[in-house]
Amino acid sequence: GENVEQHPSTLSVQEGDSAVIKCTYSDSASNYFPWYKQELGKRPQLIIDIRSNVGEKKDQRIAVTLNKTAKHFSLHITETQPEDSAVYFCAASSNTGKLIFGQGTTLQVKP
Amino acid sequence: DGGITQSPKYLFRKEGQNVTLSCEQNLNHDAMYWYRQDPGQGLRLIYYSQIVNDFQKGDIAEGYSVSREKKESFPLTVTSAQKNPTAFYLCASRTGSGANVLTFGAGSRLTVL
Repeated sequence: GENVEQHPSTLSVQEGDSAVIKCTYSDSASNYFPWYKQELGKRPQLIIDIRSNVGEKKDQRIAVTLNKTAKHFSLHITETQPEDSAVYFCAASSNTGKLIFGQGTTLQVKP
Repeated sequence: DGGITQSPKYLFRKEGQNVTLSCEQNLNHDAMYWYRQDPGQGLRLIYYSQIVNDFQKGDIAEGYSVSREKKESFPLTVTSAQKNPTAFYLCASRTGSGANVLTFGAGSRLTVL
């Protein structure tokens, strides 16, 4: 069945450094790849997404890249701040409607 | 709650009892989803529905049941057959399928005593 693998499971960086989280997916029909941020005790919130006809998308300090051939996509956060500390989830979706999430990455940004 | 209301927020259940979690949305979204969240395991898909009166099993449907009689409502029943039901349950919805943004409710935390 469809699967999304996410790495690393935990990531600790110094404030101001960059953070990279990577995901791979198994379903070649996947065409939509969102990233969610979940703060403690809250619901996941969309931070950025990318569609399969685009290779890269940027929004201020956040960027996502997609390599369809390798079935691989990544989240890049630059100039990290303590408020970036949270759990981040990648996901993949196809036109079947099924949307599968990765296992999550706990990001800690040390001041 | 961003147009998606889950209730109750906290629920306690004795072993052997069924319990139903409510999810209502006023966003006119076609598709609705139920996910289970456990520490370190991400969000696992239980059931999803793309249109009224139709739904599909996700990856961990055993021990759960759903209905989709109305577009705005997608209740989840956790049955006594679910071996380890204590978890945080998230409902979500979106327009259609494919490349559309998924919006989450605030979640329901179920504890089995």
